[in-house]
Order: sequence, then C-alpha cells, then structure tokens
Amino acid sequence: GESVGLHLPTLSVQEGDNSIINCAYSNSASDYFIWYKQESGKGPQFIIDIRSNMDKRQGQRVTVLLNKTVKHLSLQIAATQPGDSAVYFCAETTSGTYKYIFGTGTRLKVLA
Amino acid sequence: GAVVSQHPSRVICKSGTSVKIECRSLDFQATTMFWYRQFPKKSLMLMATSNEGSKATYEQGVEKDKFLINHASLTLSTLTVTSAHPEDSSFYICSAGQGANYGYTFGSGTRLTVV
Repeated sequence: GESVGLHLPTLSVQEGDNSIINCAYSNSASDYFIWYKQESGKGPQFIIDIRSNMDKRQGQRVTVLLNKTVKHLSLQIAATQPGDSAVYFCAETTSGTYKYIFGTGTRLKVLA
Repeated sequence: GAVVSQHPSRVICKSGTSVKIECRSLDFQATTMFWYRQFPKKSLMLMATSNEGSKATYEQGVEKDKFLINHASLTLSTLTVTSAHPEDSSFYICSAGQGANYGYTFGSGTRLTVV
C-alpha cells in the first residue's frame, strides 16, 4: 500500500551544524505534508507544514522542501541545538481524507 | 494555538481489567479526533477515527470490541481498552484538529502497562 518512508533512521550532528532529515512518499495524490517532532514519552509536536502548491516553506530555524517530481520531502534545521534532539516524523495526507500517513521516523542526536 | 489534553499520562492495570483514556480539545471544537498506537521506537499507527455523534471508524485489524471509542461531545473522545492483556501495553496518542489541512494537534500520550 501507500507509505511514507525515511532514508536515515538515526542522524547525529554536531551542535551548531545544520541538520537535514529526509522523507520519501509514494502517494502522488498527497497534497499536504507535515513535520512533527516527538520527544521521549511525549506526543508529536507540530513543526512545520507545506502544501503541494509550494516547494519551500520557512519557519524559525526550520525549512521544509518539497520535490513533487521525485516525491521527496526534507526538513532542514539550522544551527542545531541540544533541544532539537528527538525523533522526527513526516506525515502526508490528501485533502478531504482527514487521515495522516506517518513515516517511520528519524532520530536526531545532537552532539555537544 | 490548539491544545489537546490527554489523561491519564500513565496507567498500570491488571490483566482482564478495562482502562479508559480521555482526549479533550481545550480551546476548540473537534468533530473528528484520531487515536493512534505507538510501539517503542516505531511510528504512529492509526487505530481509529472518532466521529462526534456517530460510530468510530476503525482501521483494518483493529478490534472494535477491544478498543471502544466514544465521542459524545465536540471536545471529548474516550478510548477504552477492554479486558486488557500485556500485549495491549503501548503508548496511546490522540489527535484533534479543525480540519486535515490545518495540522492536527496531538495529545501528550498515555503509557499503558498491563501486568
């Protein structure tokens, strides 16, 4: 069936460096994508979203890039901080379905 | 922003007993809420869609009689794990929002341990 996957299950980065977390999706009909951050023992926290009519969206220290041609989504975190250590999930949905499909998750470890 | 409260955060119960988990939208009305299950180091698995005033829609493979969902008001959905067994031990998370294209907000999760 349709699925959302991630290339890197664990990513270790030095504090202050930029982080890039990738996600591949297979449902070409998906038109809304979200990145969530989940800390241990907590629920997912919304980071940033993007609609399919855009290819880039920026937030505070985070940027999401969408490449519909190759069905690829990425989350860039600038100047990674220890507080960014968590598991990051991408999610996709199609307008009107109300269902999100979550990727497998990438654990980001920030090294001091 | 939208706030979703989930209670309890942790619960330990004996095998054979039932446990109720509450999910509340605090500052908005949610006609639809979602219940997820998450195993350690795994992604979120959608269990069911909770619809206010009507029956929940369960995902394939999820037992309706095992996981009872009630969405009696626009701000409250409950998940009851009936006759719990150790294999039901997991992290249960709810989410709610004002529409799929606005980003759903998640509760803080409930760690269920069945002994």
